[in-house]
Amino acid sequence: GAVVSQHPSRVICKSGTSVKIECRSLDFQATTMFWYRQFPKQSLMLMATSNEGSKATYEQGVEKDKFLINHASLTLSTLTVTSAHPEDSSFYICSAIATKGVPEAFFGQGTRLTVV
Amino acid sequence: ELKVEQNPLFLSMQEGKNYTIYCNYSTTSDRLYWYRQDPGKSLESLFVLLSNGAVKQEGRLMASLDTKARLSTLHITAAVHDLSATYFCAVDASHSGNTPLVFGKGTRLSVIA
Repeated sequence: GAVVSQHPSRVICKSGTSVKIECRSLDFQATTMFWYRQFPKQSLMLMATSNEGSKATYEQGVEKDKFLINHASLTLSTLTVTSAHPEDSSFYICSAIATKGVPEAFFGQGTRLTVV
Repeated sequence: ELKVEQNPLFLSMQEGKNYTIYCNYSTTSDRLYWYRQDPGKSLESLFVLLSNGAVKQEGRLMASLDTKARLSTLHITAAVHDLSATYFCAVDASHSGNTPLVFGKGTRLSVIA
């Protein structure tokens, strides 16, 4: 199946710093990618929809100035957590949908962010 | 608004037993997914169900879809310890394939000897 690569898989940062997470579709183009956040023992919650060449769409309650999304090419979306705080510590997962043939969602490996 | 309800949320079962996880959703859907997640890992795709009556099987897991009842089931046959994980169903309500999936809360399965 199609591959979505997410990097880094794990990051520890100090409070107040910024962290960038990359999500790449390796063998297909994705005009739309999705960013999810998962807290321990909970389900995945959609944060935002990343649109190639235009602004991201954020879910209610997600601060767009804190979680900056850039989707500059058809294979790369980035999520930057700005001025990170301990409460931002979570598991972040990106997803892209391969639309060749029957559309199917694929997920990155996830990024474990710990803010200390 | 699409809602996805999964039950049970927790399941402890003995090795060798059978059980079914249920996934109900609130609006018409073109695609329903089942995923497995191990602790600290991302999602592993198990099944994609695309049409009413679809049934797919892989090893001890079998998934089915009834679009009229808006219900999918994940049946576990003769459980083994290796199946211990969290299982999520997720629904895509779009026809274009460009909308995000909506996830159930997950079923945490623990298989004990």
